[in-house]
Amino acid sequence: DSGVTQTPKHLITATGQRVTLRCSPRSGDLSVYWYQQSLDQGLQFLIHYYNGEERAKGNILERFSAQQFPDLHSELNLSSLELGDSALYFCASSGAEGFTDTQYFGPGTRLTVL
Amino acid sequence: AQTVTQSQPEMSVQEAETVTLSCTYDTSESDYYLFWYKQPPSRQMILVIRQEAYKQQNATENRFSVNFQKAAKSFSLKISDSQLGDAAMYFCAYRKRYNDMRFGAGTRLTVKP
Repeated sequence: DSGVTQTPKHLITATGQRVTLRCSPRSGDLSVYWYQQSLDQGLQFLIHYYNGEERAKGNILERFSAQQFPDLHSELNLSSLELGDSALYFCASSGAEGFTDTQYFGPGTRLTVL
Repeated sequence: AQTVTQSQPEMSVQEAETVTLSCTYDTSESDYYLFWYKQPPSRQMILVIRQEAYKQQNATENRFSVNFQKAAKSFSLKISDSQLGDAAMYFCAYRKRYNDMRFGAGTRLTVKP
């Protein structure tokens, strides 16, 4: 158990809908990262938050957004969902902004868009 | 741009034997970290081992060790005394200071009893 929690574990929804994925980092970790793992794109970095502030953006679509709250949990919002958004979404956390930290992954949320 | 290449989509090893998974990366940086993550059928991403680029000594964690060749930009993972529980997808990853992590495409390891 990495100490990172993600809810829900599974999510099934229809095209055009909006969903919210939730992540709670390890106790004391200030950084939260979101990744998307799909069959054709592999593991892709989406976005990084540090102590409530956005620090870096990767291949995140404009239909997707995220935020980190004062209690350090984070939410990833996916809207106008398309079939291609079906994937495993991981959250990871780390203890510092610096590059010496290691990212610990949550169990992931499997999103299926029908 | 930093890229990570795992040239072996699939590998197979006999139980109790040793296997080496390959990884190469491309970077112009001198300070960075390299990681191997394991993803078993449960899909959980589990950290196996990490290597700081400034350290010449290869990292080891029990049965897992790496061969880090900085000049060649190579970072292979050696699994000794392979066990059935080692069967998983293995991802090599690179991280530069303050940047996100870049992953290779993965190597699926099968362990034969």
